[in-house]
Amino acid sequence: EAGVAQSPRYKIIEKRQSVAFWCNPISGHATLYWYQQILGQGPKLLIQFQNNGVVDDSQLPKDRFSAERLKGVDSTLKIQPAKLEDSAVYLCASSLDPGFNQPQHFGDGTRLSIL
Amino acid sequence: AQSVAQPEDQVNVAEGNPLTVKCTYSVSGNPYLFWYVQYPNRGLQFLLKYITGDNLVKGSYGFEAEFNKSQTSFHLKKPSALVSDSALYFCAVRENAGNMLTFGGGTRLMVKP
Repeated sequence: EAGVAQSPRYKIIEKRQSVAFWCNPISGHATLYWYQQILGQGPKLLIQFQNNGVVDDSQLPKDRFSAERLKGVDSTLKIQPAKLEDSAVYLCASSLDPGFNQPQHFGDGTRLSIL
Repeated sequence: AQSVAQPEDQVNVAEGNPLTVKCTYSVSGNPYLFWYVQYPNRGLQFLLKYITGDNLVKGSYGFEAEFNKSQTSFHLKKPSALVSDSALYFCAVRENAGNMLTFGGGTRLMVKP
């Protein structure tokens, strides 16, 4: 089974620029998550989708971050404009459904560096 | 609010010795607990979970974890460590059937030959 695919793996931009990340979940997984992992910390949930609907975006900084999953499969996360504190690894994960006992399967992430 | 604490930033153990990585949690309802491992420049990999039932849970790569409700702990264990077990380990908790998985800050495990 193919895993969660993310691109790009690395991105370097200057502050105030915009950036977008792409994620393709495991086939058949209805639930998709975006996490932010700052160096030395555990992942923090930014947004959760169930099919193409948003389930939880309470920790998404909506003034600069946006995400979509238009067809209920792949997803994009955008930052505009970027700030220095956005430097982090952005992880995408998916699960069969949002059930409490379902493990999440993670991609390898996009490492974002803001200059 | 739910939270997870991993009190040790790093655990050092010699190859062949038993290892323990500690995790304590705080929830207001029933906890659903998970352990993940992260290798350098990779995403997190699921190791094991506790949902209900036996307090001792067995998972991938010979790892197991013991759920202790009175001590609100879910420590990760392995009887005999391998050098290849060296990685970053994360404990996570989900409260009842809630949506959000909350991760601890991670513990780096170093296994020396």
